Amino acid sequence: EAGVTQSPTHLIKTRGQQATLRCSPISGHTSVYWYQQALGLGLQFLLWYDEGEERNRGNFPPRFSGRQFPNYSSELNVNALELEDSALYLCASSFENRGPSGNTIYFGEGSWLTVV
Amino acid sequence: AQSVSQHNHHVILSEAASLELGCNYSYGGTVNLFWYVQYPGQHLQLLLKYFSGDPLVKGIKGFEAEFIKSKFSFNLRKPSVQWSDTAEYFCAVKDSGGGADGLTFGKGTHLIIQP
Repeated sequence: EAGVTQSPTHLIKTRGQQATLRCSPISGHTSVYWYQQALGLGLQFLLWYDEGEERNRGNFPPRFSGRQFPNYSSELNVNALELEDSALYLCASSFENRGPSGNTIYFGEGSWLTVV
Repeated sequence: AQSVSQHNHHVILSEAASLELGCNYSYGGTVNLFWYVQYPGQHLQLLLKYFSGDPLVKGIKGFEAEFIKSKFSFNLRKPSVQWSDTAEYFCAVKDSGGGADGLTFGKGTHLIIQP
């Protein structure tokens, strides 16, 4: 079974440009999460999509946005790139089970974004 | 909102030493708890998880964790570490009721095992 896949693996952009990162969840998973892992800052929650809707977003400016498509894949867009946006962007997916058995969230390998 | 605190940012141990990494969370409801590991140059992998039942959970590679509800803790343990355990370890919590806070991570503990 394929895991969470992300593309591109590496992306280099200049300040002010836009970046688009893509994520395909594990088959059957309806929830997709985006995290930013910047050096020294740990994993910062960015966005959570479930069944095509944005469920929550972290403490990031509006130039970080995304969407989830009908096939549950997702896209993260970062507009007006700044140098500090350079980080590893991780996508994760889960089957959103609200019952007591819980659910496990699986991560992709990430997309490295470098802003120069 | 939920939060996770990992007490040690850097831990250095010798091979065969015992390991315990602290994790405390803050949340008023019922939670699912996780430990993830990130080996150098690799993606996050699930080590173990707690959903319900026996508070002592066993994961891969000899790791275990104990959920102590009264202390809001979920410490990770391993009786004898190996050089290959060198990695970044993240504790995470999620509202088991499907709340909007998603999965919240601690800042991570960088573990270095010296041969």
